[in-house]
Amino acid sequence: AQSVSQHNHHVILSEAASLELGCNYSYGGTVNLFWYVQYPGQHLQLLLKYFSGDPLVKGIKGFEAEFIKSKFSFNLRKPSVQWSDTAEYFCAVNERRALTFGSGTRLQVQP
Amino acid sequence: DTAVSQTPKYLVTQMGNDKSIKCEQNLGHDTMYWYKQDSKKFLKIMFSYNNKELIINETVPNRFSPKSPDKAHLNLHINSLELGDSAVYFCASSQASQGAGELFFGEGSRLTVL
Repeated sequence: AQSVSQHNHHVILSEAASLELGCNYSYGGTVNLFWYVQYPGQHLQLLLKYFSGDPLVKGIKGFEAEFIKSKFSFNLRKPSVQWSDTAEYFCAVNERRALTFGSGTRLQVQP
Repeated sequence: DTAVSQTPKYLVTQMGNDKSIKCEQNLGHDTMYWYKQDSKKFLKIMFSYNNKELIINETVPNRFSPKSPDKAHLNLHINSLELGDSAVYFCASSQASQGAGELFFGEGSRLTVL
């Protein structure tokens, strides 16, 4: 079964700092990859997704992610974070017609 | 119009009770899911239904029983509640033709077992 690793459990940044959150999945083949965001007290919302094509994917709110097949990675980036980006971020990979999620990264942006 | 709606949003109950959480989606999707999010925010798939057929049944105690009366509804019934069942339960839906593509989540149902 697929597993998803998010090595950064808790990240604290100041506003305007750059962000990179790591995500690795366990084995290759054709995969669909996702980043979801969960703002405090809210449900999960899709930030971006990769199915095929250009490995650099742009999502909402200025986020982007790069799929590197050789590294089994799909890292999330944002050049300049805002206080409103404070949330939990989940990487996910499709498997058996469901998504397997990583353990999440809590991002705290300080004003 | 809420795409995936769950009721109730909050549920506080005693150990040993039986409770249900309901989920409805109006997106026309054919696949629905239940995920459990524990206190550490870890999300784990519990069940998935496609067109009322159970397709994923993870290692979940048989006190948990999903029911899908039609493809727009997926309910979760829990018998003999235990303290460890306390969590947020998320319902989600997707279109199977996308092969587990984007999931649309409900707002979650926070279950607290005392």
